[in-house]
Amino acid sequence: GAGVSQTPSNKVTEKGKYVELRCDPISGHTALYWYRQSLGQGPEFLIYFQGTGAADDSGLPNDRFFAVRPEGSVSTLKIQRTERGDSAVYLCASSPGPHNEQFFGPGTRLTVL
Amino acid sequence: AQSVTQLDSQVPVFEEAPVELRCNYSSSVSVYLFWYVQYPNQGLQLLLKYLSGSTLVESINGFEAEFNKSQTSFHLRKPSVHISDTAEYFCAVSDQRDNFNKFYFGSGTKLNVKP
Repeated sequence: GAGVSQTPSNKVTEKGKYVELRCDPISGHTALYWYRQSLGQGPEFLIYFQGTGAADDSGLPNDRFFAVRPEGSVSTLKIQRTERGDSAVYLCASSPGPHNEQFFGPGTRLTVL
Repeated sequence: AQSVTQLDSQVPVFEEAPVELRCNYSSSVSVYLFWYVQYPNQGLQLLLKYLSGSTLVESINGFEAEFNKSQTSFHLRKPSVHISDTAEYFCAVSDQRDNFNKFYFGSGTKLNVKP
């Protein structure tokens, strides 16, 4: 079956612009996670959804970052007033439940010029 | 919060040689432990995990890892590597007290298997 998909695969934007990154989880997975992976680092947790609600957003770096999952399936990570330091690969993962294996998407590489 | 250390950023090794990729974590609280692998141009895939029970866990492709609570380590080993094992390997830890798998990842180890 289909895995986790993320669009776009690459996004280049200018400093100060707004971007949206999309994640399509595996069908039926109730848990969804966003991570950020900077160059040379491992993924860092950003936010966790259980269903439609953000159960833990403690990893979001500041209020320029926001994520939604309105129908409990697709999720969008939104970044306002992008900065060069936001450049990274943004990973999405989903799982059948909160303590199950997480299945990762291929990521969106964001470059802020 | 947990801190996960993978001391070796790159490990070159010849085919059929043994390899060990090291992982240490900071806290002695009860944890779940994972190794994920990322092949070139692919997403992260679960390689193996420790949740409870036997401290030695194995993957289907010959890797194994041993949970050592006293040393807070979860090193990954393979007795004989193949070219196809070339990838980046990430160790991840989650706290059993959390109500979901909040992963803390190490910075990764790139395994380069040479013919």
